[in-house]
Amino acid sequence: DAGITQSPRHKVTETGTPVTLRCHQTENHRYMYWYRQDPGHGLRLIHYSYGVKDTDKGEVSDGYSVSRSKTEDFLLTLESATSSQTSVYFCATKKQGRDGYTFGSGTRLTVV
Amino acid sequence: AQKITQTQPGMFVQEKEAVTLDCTYDTSDQSYGLFWYKQPSSGEMIFLIYQGSYDEQNATEGRYSLNFQKARKSANLVISASQLGDSAMYFCAMREAFQGGGADGLTFGKGTHLIIQP
Repeated sequence: DAGITQSPRHKVTETGTPVTLRCHQTENHRYMYWYRQDPGHGLRLIHYSYGVKDTDKGEVSDGYSVSRSKTEDFLLTLESATSSQTSVYFCATKKQGRDGYTFGSGTRLTVV
Repeated sequence: AQKITQTQPGMFVQEKEAVTLDCTYDTSDQSYGLFWYKQPSSGEMIFLIYQGSYDEQNATEGRYSLNFQKARKSANLVISASQLGDSAMYFCAMREAFQGGGADGLTFGKGTHLIIQP
């Protein structure tokens, strides 16, 4: 199923350049999340959204910003990419209540 | 302090044996949920099983069961009759309430890399 689409799937960028990752959902879920996954750390929350234009910071938000102008889209921006932001980025969504979470396929970002 | 602790970075298990993956958690909330996810080498996150803090019975889903010991804050995943296809990373996660907008979200452990040997 293609309930959540992350784009791009892979990206290589240079240090200091801006990068935007996109998460698009067709589930009409209220809540959306960005996580990063690094070896030895599991997944860590960067930012989350609880509605259009409503976002908040997670555990590792420094160097990242997000925007949600439509229910279906949640954008993650690295204003000036650094090598420490090389990671796999996962988007997730949740409807409401005790429902489970749906994850996208991930975006592998390499900053050189 | 870590909220989710998985003490086994890696495990080797013989095919057809049962496997227990350890997970302990830390929370002062009365209402919370515990999840297990599988991540094969292809990278996707696959939901396996869920246990709510008020659920009296241990959750089961096919070959997966969750050994929930609330007083010990333990939520171990048990895989019966392991198969070669069970080789993957396994993550324990806890749902907890966030500050903003009535949201909640997942906090993950660092994972256990399970390898099933023939």
